[in-house]
Amino acid sequence: GNSVTQMEGPVTLSEEAFLTINCTYTATGYPSLFWYVQYPGEGLQLLLKATKADDKGSNKGFEATYRKETTSFHLEKGSVQVSDSAVYFCALSDLNQAGTALIFGKGTTLSVSS
Amino acid sequence: NAGVTQTPKFRVLKTGQSMTLLCAQDMNHEYMYWYRQDPGMGLRLIHYSVGEGTTAKGEVPDGYNVSRLKKQNFLLGLESAAPSQTSVYFCASSYDSISYEQYFGPGTRLTVT
Repeated sequence: GNSVTQMEGPVTLSEEAFLTINCTYTATGYPSLFWYVQYPGEGLQLLLKATKADDKGSNKGFEATYRKETTSFHLEKGSVQVSDSAVYFCALSDLNQAGTALIFGKGTTLSVSS
Repeated sequence: NAGVTQTPKFRVLKTGQSMTLLCAQDMNHEYMYWYRQDPGMGLRLIHYSVGEGTTAKGEVPDGYNVSRLKKQNFLLGLESAAPSQTSVYFCASSYDSISYEQYFGPGTRLTVT
């Protein structure tokens, strides 16, 4: 079945460091791919998305490119801030379900120190 | 525009008790979802609905029931709570499927003792 695998955390970085969080997926068809972010005590918010191969999603300095050949959607940011500390979830839309729910990775905790 | 709201925010139940979690959205979305979030497990789909009056099972539906009597509301019921249902529950909604983002509520933290 469809699944998402993302790197385990926690990831600990200093402010202004470069961030990469790896995400790979297994899916039939051509799902849409998403990165969601969860700040402490809050629900998930969409960070960025890509709907077809080679699309690049971007938001708030974060980027991810939909790579069909490597089935990957890695999240990157050139210079992280303390305010980026959160849990990041990679997800794909499950085309096998009528409601097209999301299948999530287990989440990667990012902690940025000043 | 409140988005997606959930009540209650916190609840403690004893084993065997029942309760209902309420999710409401004011965005006129057709699709609504209930997920549970457990440490190291990500989010897993419990039940979902593709429109008023419809419900369907997700990945982990056992021990839960749902109803969607009104388009804006999606209720999640636990008939006989068990400690394994201790979790954080998130409701989400979306306008359509595939490429539309899901909007999440703030969550309900449930503890079953």
